[in-house]
Amino acid sequence: DQQVKQNSPSLSVQEGRISILNCDYTNSMFDYFLWYKKYPAEGPTFLISISSIKDKNEDGRFTVFLNKSAKHLSLHIVPSQPGDSAVYFCAARGGAGGTSYGKLTFGQGTILTVHP
Amino acid sequence: EPEVTQTPSHQVTQMGQEVILRCVPISNHLYFYWYRQILGQKVEFLVSFYNNEISEKSEIFDDQFSVERPDGSNFTLKIRSTKLEDSAMYFCASSEAVTALLGYTFGSGTRLTVV
Repeated sequence: DQQVKQNSPSLSVQEGRISILNCDYTNSMFDYFLWYKKYPAEGPTFLISISSIKDKNEDGRFTVFLNKSAKHLSLHIVPSQPGDSAVYFCAARGGAGGTSYGKLTFGQGTILTVHP
Repeated sequence: EPEVTQTPSHQVTQMGQEVILRCVPISNHLYFYWYRQILGQKVEFLVSFYNNEISEKSEIFDDQFSVERPDGSNFTLKIRSTKLEDSAMYFCASSEAVTALLGYTFGSGTRLTVV
């Protein structure tokens, strides 16, 4: 199942700079896209979401951009902090062609390391 | 901040044995989910549960799996006869509403090891 893909397994940035995490999807029936952050031995923590009818959503240091024509979304973190170092997962909801309220389809994750 | 609680944090079981993984979702949430992550692989959807019944399940969720909300607070995942390939982190999640705008809240997971 490759409907949601994060092609960069890792990203390293300097503290204070911008982190850009990318995600591509193939299923045009997804209605929401979400970003989660995960630390080892913990569950995913919700960061931010965007509806498929929007192209941008902002929450503090986190902004998600959605390009439906390219089937691409990205998460921008500005400024990056060492505490942001974690695995970031892109997820998409729905996709069954009708109502599919339960299922999130996850990408493989990107390990973000923010250096002081 | 309200959280989803999962017990146990780690379970080791013999192949062929039954296991029950337990979850206490956030109290005012109405939608409940189980996901799993095999080591090195993606987080995968197993099942969603609403109004005391399964609303959606994946192809992974075969007859060996079942879910139950035995009382007003617990939500359980039962694996009837465990296989080696069931070894994974199992995450319970809950959400207040059907909209995904606020995300789903995940628990810290149960690491299931089948030997």
